[in-house]
Amino acid sequence: DAGVIQSPRHEVTEMGQEVTLRCKPISGHNSLFWYRQTMMRGLELLIYFNNNVPIDDSGMPEDRFSAKMPNASFSTLKIQPSEPRDSAVYFCASSPPGLGHEQFFGPGTRLTVL
Amino acid sequence: KNEVEQSPQNLTAQEGEFITINCSYSVGISALHWLQQHPGGGIVSLFMLSSGKKKHGRLIATINIQEKHSSLHITASHPRDSAVYICAVRKGQGGSEKLVFGKGTKLTVNP
Repeated sequence: DAGVIQSPRHEVTEMGQEVTLRCKPISGHNSLFWYRQTMMRGLELLIYFNNNVPIDDSGMPEDRFSAKMPNASFSTLKIQPSEPRDSAVYFCASSPPGLGHEQFFGPGTRLTVL
Repeated sequence: KNEVEQSPQNLTAQEGEFITINCSYSVGISALHWLQQHPGGGIVSLFMLSSGKKKHGRLIATINIQEKHSSLHITASHPRDSAVYICAVRKGQGGSEKLVFGKGTKLTVNP
């Protein structure tokens, strides 16, 4: 299996621009997670989906962030407009059906907002 | 105060040494995860446990639910074990899959 796929791997943009991060979960997995990692705050859950439905978005920082999962094989995290404090590594992870399974992480997208 | 605390924050060891990384949490949990983040940034799940002990190769994870504490041990450490080790807990007894993470322990094993 190819594992969780994220694109782009690196993104450099200017403040105010729209940024879209993409994730393809492992086939057959029905939970998908978006995380943000910074030096100051470590890893934080932004939002997670189960069967394409958002279950917990309490970690989404503000209205500038939005996430969608239009089908079982694709999800996006959008930041509009981006700000320098959004600079971080964004990870997508997926897990198989049922509670309490390990999560499989993608390679991450390193976002730099100038 | 963070709900998940790890110690030490940084750890340097010589090859062959026995390593212990600790994780304490302050909330009720249904499971605890240990993750490894390689120097290149990739994250791998090492263990998921809700009681007792698990072993995989040179790695051993234990959890004490009553004391709200878990340890990750590495026997016969090797330079390739150098990484950041992250503890994460799944809160509560309900159906949430949400994980809360510790800040990580950076391990450096010197040859």
